[in-house]
Amino acid sequence: GNSVTQMEGPVTLSEEAFLTINCTYTATGYPSLFWYVQYPGEGLQLLLKATKADDKGSNKGFEATYRKETTSFHLEKGSVQVSDSAVYFCALSGGTSGSRLTFGEGTQLTVNP
Amino acid sequence: DAMVIQNPRYQVTQFGKPVTLSCSQTLNHNVMYWYQQKSSQAPKLLFHYYDKDFNNEADTPDNFQSRRPNTSFCFLDIRSPGLGDAAMYLCATNQGLGADEKLFFGSGTQLSVL
Repeated sequence: GNSVTQMEGPVTLSEEAFLTINCTYTATGYPSLFWYVQYPGEGLQLLLKATKADDKGSNKGFEATYRKETTSFHLEKGSVQVSDSAVYFCALSGGTSGSRLTFGEGTQLTVNP
Repeated sequence: DAMVIQNPRYQVTQFGKPVTLSCSQTLNHNVMYWYQQKSSQAPKLLFHYYDKDFNNEADTPDNFQSRRPNTSFCFLDIRSPGLGDAAMYLCATNQGLGADEKLFFGSGTQLSVL
């Protein structure tokens, strides 16, 4: 079946630091890959997505590239802000699970001023 | 304006006392999902509706039921809540079943079981 593995958290950074959150996946076929973000007290919202190999998703300064050869979709941002503090979830759909999303366990990011 | 609305934001129930969580959407989406999210864990899909078609995940306990009386509303019924059912319950929608379609989530209902 499908699965997603995220780097263990929590992650604490200073403002303007570089961020990487690792995500690897296992799936049959050609899944679509997503990053969702959950701000405190809110539901999940889509941050970015990529639907085929070598696609790069980007939004709000965040980027992730779909790497089929390494089955990875790492999230990066060059300069984080305090307002980026949230929980980040890597997810996939497709393959054996159809449209159903399979989530990673989430990574708590805290950015200090 | 919120497009997927969950009520209540916090729900407290007693062990074994039935409880219903509600979700409504203004997006007119065909698909509605219920996820369970325990502390520091990934959201876990319980079931989903495509229109009136109900699809249960294989490992969803029988204790969990769902109703979708119309396009806009979907309910999660927990018939006899146990302590292990304390969690955040997330409702989500999307337009279709395409694998690349994004989900729209509500803010969730945090359920406590005493």
